[in-house]
Amino acid sequence: DAKTTQPPSMDCAEGRAANLPCNHSTISGNEYVYWYRQIHSQGPQYIIHGLKNNETNEMASLIITEDRKSSTLILPHATLRDTAVYYCIVRPDQTGANNLFFGTGTRLTVIP
Amino acid sequence: DGGITQSPKYLFRKEGQNVTLSCEQNLNHDAMYWYRQDPGQGLRLIYYSQIVNDFQKGDIAEGYSVSREKKESFPLTVTSAQKNPTAFYLCASSLGDAYNEQFFGPGTRLTVL
Repeated sequence: DAKTTQPPSMDCAEGRAANLPCNHSTISGNEYVYWYRQIHSQGPQYIIHGLKNNETNEMASLIITEDRKSSTLILPHATLRDTAVYYCIVRPDQTGANNLFFGTGTRLTVIP
Repeated sequence: DGGITQSPKYLFRKEGQNVTLSCEQNLNHDAMYWYRQDPGQGLRLIYYSQIVNDFQKGDIAEGYSVSREKKESFPLTVTSAQKNPTAFYLCASSLGDAYNEQFFGPGTRLTVL
């Protein structure tokens, strides 16, 4: 079952911030928000995850709204190598819950 | 270098033949997974294994089989019972079912002629 909604595609100019939105209005209290990306014909790559606080790592920042019904992945300075499909996934962080549901994601194209 | 490998990258088979896809990891991960991806679609879980000698069906297990005799290896067999086997197959591993970061291999693109 799809628990997230993402726009099918977005463009971003090289060097600018890419802001990728995700709606997860039915998220429950113990479900985390995960982001992965998949560069063409490669395996997906983990980016970041969070529960309710904003998170930042060397790749990206994750902003989760206070009601947790939506989030935004921010790539602060997009490069051509960031062109990929970005997947937003919600799932409980508990034993036995192994199924990461990858929907169709957002295809981000970084333009020179 | 630690990582997860899949071989071969491209595989061609005739209809009606079984074929086995290899997946090996040296990350000392307990859990391993197989996904299938069709063009323009997301990933769908075929099988997963949380520990050696144990595995569970995912959402689309019909026509597939797996084994987990060693921690490092989780081969997937696409049998002749799988009606539409042509797809991109991805293997992943993680520290355990409580650790959600999954590390993916490069994938095997299977084409059945």
